[in-house]
Amino acid sequence: DIQMTQSPSSLSASVGDRVTITCRAGQPISTYLNWYQQKPGKAPKLLIYGASTLQSGVPSRFSGSGSGADFTLTISSLQPEDFATYFCQQSYTTPYTFGRGTKLEIK
Amino acid sequence: QLHLQESGPGLVKPSETLSLTCTVSGDSINTRSYFWAWIRQSPGKGLEYIGSVFYNGDAYFNPSLKSRLTMSVDASKSQFSLNLNSVTAADTATYYCARRHLGGHSVDYFDFWGQGTWVTVSS
Repeated sequence: DIQMTQSPSSLSASVGDRVTITCRAGQPISTYLNWYQQKPGKAPKLLIYGASTLQSGVPSRFSGSGSGADFTLTISSLQPEDFATYFCQQSYTTPYTFGRGTKLEIK
Repeated sequence: QLHLQESGPGLVKPSETLSLTCTVSGDSINTRSYFWAWIRQSPGKGLEYIGSVFYNGDAYFNPSLKSRLTMSVDASKSQFSLNLNSVTAADTATYYCARRHLGGHSVDYFDFWGQGTWVTVSS
């Protein structure tokens, strides 16, 4: 199985901050990398697929980049509703695997 | 708008079978563009992809669960199902059903999810 490693595991930031979360795959996965946002008690919500394509309806302050084994999710200006946990997921090879998450908290 | 809803018992005894159903509304389950997937989440293991099933019954199972797993589709009811047998406490988790979208290069993701259902394995 491909291991997905996210960093940091938690992050404190303020409204308006620019935040970057990283995800590293255990082997190259091209751009088969998706990002999800999860709020407490809710299902994950797809933000970005194919490493950099914004899912319909997702605000443009979210962006993704990377290819191969190293990826980033950037939120350009944090809004109050962005405080949540973020997961990366590889869809390069089965079984698809997820990172352990980055919890974004209010400073 | 597509909507998925899980249903099934919240408590299962060890060694018994966990059975869940996902009802799909807002679009046809009979489509060649999507797979219908199960994903679970527990504090210990995080998010784990269980497997997915195509409208014609073709299925992929996570090898770690394959020997205990069956999945099926009932298009007449717009439902797909999961059966996991010989459960243990390690199978305690929130179980999500989701739509798996397959497209061109790099297009393979879970775009719609059910709200999730918590299942406890305990006697």
